[in-house]
Amino acid sequence: DGGITQSPKYLFRKEGQNVTLSCEQNLNHDAMYWYRQDPGQGLRLIYYSQIVNDFQKGDIAEGYSVSREKKESFPLTVTSAQKNPTAFYLCASTGLAYGDTQYFGPGTRLTVL
Amino acid sequence: DAKTTQPTSMDCAEGRAANLPCNHSTISGNEYVYWYRQIHSQGPQYIIHGLKNNETNEMASLIITEDRKSSTLILPHATLRDTAVYYCIVRGYSGGGADGLTFGKGTHLIIQP
Repeated sequence: DGGITQSPKYLFRKEGQNVTLSCEQNLNHDAMYWYRQDPGQGLRLIYYSQIVNDFQKGDIAEGYSVSREKKESFPLTVTSAQKNPTAFYLCASTGLAYGDTQYFGPGTRLTVL
Repeated sequence: DAKTTQPTSMDCAEGRAANLPCNHSTISGNEYVYWYRQIHSQGPQYIIHGLKNNETNEMASLIITEDRKSSTLILPHATLRDTAVYYCIVRGYSGGGADGLTFGKGTHLIIQP
């Protein structure tokens, strides 16, 4: 079954702890993305990567970090510096050709207690 | 990427065609129009996209006006499972790569039994 997997679906952490969210894709896509969604709002871009070992900040990168050591994997770390980490986190991927479609994973809901 | 304007919410009777409008008056010549939908607590699902011509697939039809300043997503026979938030997104390419998508708040479509 092809697609994008995110794990876990629900994640709980204590305030002050770093936490890493997993995103894996088997679509052979070059570009991968992380978005954040707050209740009743649209998605906002955190980080994206168009090639292995390279990534760019999105609109709300502060308090987050990423790595891209493999084409199929793009983990996101939510650090203790993120002021309001409780949110729904979505990973996406796409090819780089003009007109390619971006596909999304099922999301991880992070709750910081 | 050009900004889009969508109604906040719409109702449609089950079995009827649902017509969701989107204005994108500042769209430029190389920008595609994409439609996604999101059911509560799930990742956005790709529906359809187009550049100039009308498009149809197994899920929906996309009608783009000749001046490309607006479009309409048509779900031909709406079912209760089509209740979701629908996002209209205009996407271009910069720097030779694929930037992230810019999401607004979308249209909350409610299918009434």
